[in-house]
Amino acid sequence: DAGVIQSPRHEVTEMGQEVTLRCKPISGHDYLFWYRQTMMRGLELLIYFNNNVPIDDSGMPEDRFSAKMPNASFSTLKIQPSEPRDSAVYFCASSLSQIPYGYTFGSGTRLTVV
Amino acid sequence: AQSVTQLGSHVSVSEGALVLLRCNYSSSVPPYLFWYVQYPNQGLQLLLKYTTGATLVKGINGFEAEFKKSETSFHLTKPSAHMSDAAEYFCAVSGFSGGYNKLIFGAGTRLAVHP
Repeated sequence: DAGVIQSPRHEVTEMGQEVTLRCKPISGHDYLFWYRQTMMRGLELLIYFNNNVPIDDSGMPEDRFSAKMPNASFSTLKIQPSEPRDSAVYFCASSLSQIPYGYTFGSGTRLTVV
Repeated sequence: AQSVTQLGSHVSVSEGALVLLRCNYSSSVPPYLFWYVQYPNQGLQLLLKYTTGATLVKGINGFEAEFKKSETSFHLTKPSAHMSDAAEYFCAVSGFSGGYNKLIFGAGTRLAVHP
């Protein structure tokens, strides 16, 4: 099992550009979560999916952020247009329905917007 | 609603000393509780979890935690700290929102280990 795979590991982009972060969850997991981590705000849940359907996107900062899960093995988080305050580490995590299994996190994407 | 409070954003110990990281939770239903560890430039890794049964839970790297319902606590301990334990530690409690499961994370405690 390769775990949760995120790409790219690092992304540097200019303000105003579109950024797309990618995630491949563990095969068979039916929950997928996107988190953002910053020094100031800690770990924030942005959105999560169950069986590819978005369940709660109340953590998405604003309309510039969007997330999709077109199938069980792939999800994207898009920021358009990007701003310097979006600089953070973005994590994807997946889990099985039963909460006792906990989450498996990816290694994260470090985004820097200059 | 569920919530988690981690007491102390930074904890510093000497190598070989006891590690104690505090976590208190609030839950209206029997909780599932977790500790995660994050090493620099890495994702969060599950350290241990409590679901049901024995209240003393053992995890990886010599860590353990005890679920105390009366104190609504789930403190993480390790008898003897190693330099390699320096990391950030997150406590989490299961939460239910609209019938869907999700974890509620604490703010994290950064552990420093000194020679």
